Amino acid sequence: DGGITQSPKYLFRKEGQNVTLSCEQNLNHDAMYWYRQDPGQGLRLIYYSQIVNDFQKGDIAEGYSVSREKKESFPLTVTSAQKNPTAFYLCASCKGPYTDTQYFGPGTRLTVL
Amino acid sequence: DAKTTQPPSMDCAEGRAANLPCNHSTISGNEYVYWYRQIHSQGPQYIIHGLKNNETNEMASLIITEDRKSSTLILPHATLRDTAVYYCIVRKWPWNTPLVFGKGTRLSVIA
Repeated sequence: DGGITQSPKYLFRKEGQNVTLSCEQNLNHDAMYWYRQDPGQGLRLIYYSQIVNDFQKGDIAEGYSVSREKKESFPLTVTSAQKNPTAFYLCASCKGPYTDTQYFGPGTRLTVL
Repeated sequence: DAKTTQPPSMDCAEGRAANLPCNHSTISGNEYVYWYRQIHSQGPQYIIHGLKNNETNEMASLIITEDRKSSTLILPHATLRDTAVYYCIVRKWPWNTPLVFGKGTRLSVIA
C-alpha cells in the first residue's frame, strides 16, 4: 500500500523537550515538505527537500530542524527554541521538483503541555 | 506567485452544484491555478489544476475566465463528504517551489 506515513497521529510533550516527528513515503518521490497548521489557518511551510542530503528553509523554519539522509524519510525535530510548538504538522511529497502534484500525509497533532 | 482571494465560507445543499470562486487578478502567463481541499484533521487532497482551458476530472470541473483573473471550482453534485476547506493556489512554472496555502473557503454541505 503506497503512500505517506506520519506517526504518531497525536503526540504530547512537556515544554522544553525536543520532539521528532516522523514522515516516511514509499512512493519513490524525490521532494518532501513539512508544513504547520494552526487552528483556522492555512498551511505554512517549515522546511522542504528536493533531493537527498539537501533541504531549504521555508517561511517559519526558526525552532525546527530536519534531515534527509534517505529518500523515503524526512524527519522534523521541534526544538525547545520553538516558542509555540502546539500545532498540526503535515508532511507532503512529490515525484520531483517539476511535478505538479504534492501528496500529503495524515498529519501529526502535537500538543506541548 | 500571485495572491488569491476566496470567500471565507459557503454553504451548499446536498445534491446541488457547489461553485467555489477564486480571484487571482495578478496572475501571470506562466502561473497555473491549483485546487486542493482539506477535510477536518486530515492532510490536503489534490483536486484539479489548469492554465487557461477549462478542466474536468472525476472530482470536479475548473472554469478559468478568458482573462485568467478568476476561476471557479465546480463540484457538480455535492455530498456531505465534500464538506471541507477548499484552497485555490496559484503556482508558477517551473513547479520547483512548494505550494503556498492561504486560508481557503470553508464549504459546508447541508442535508
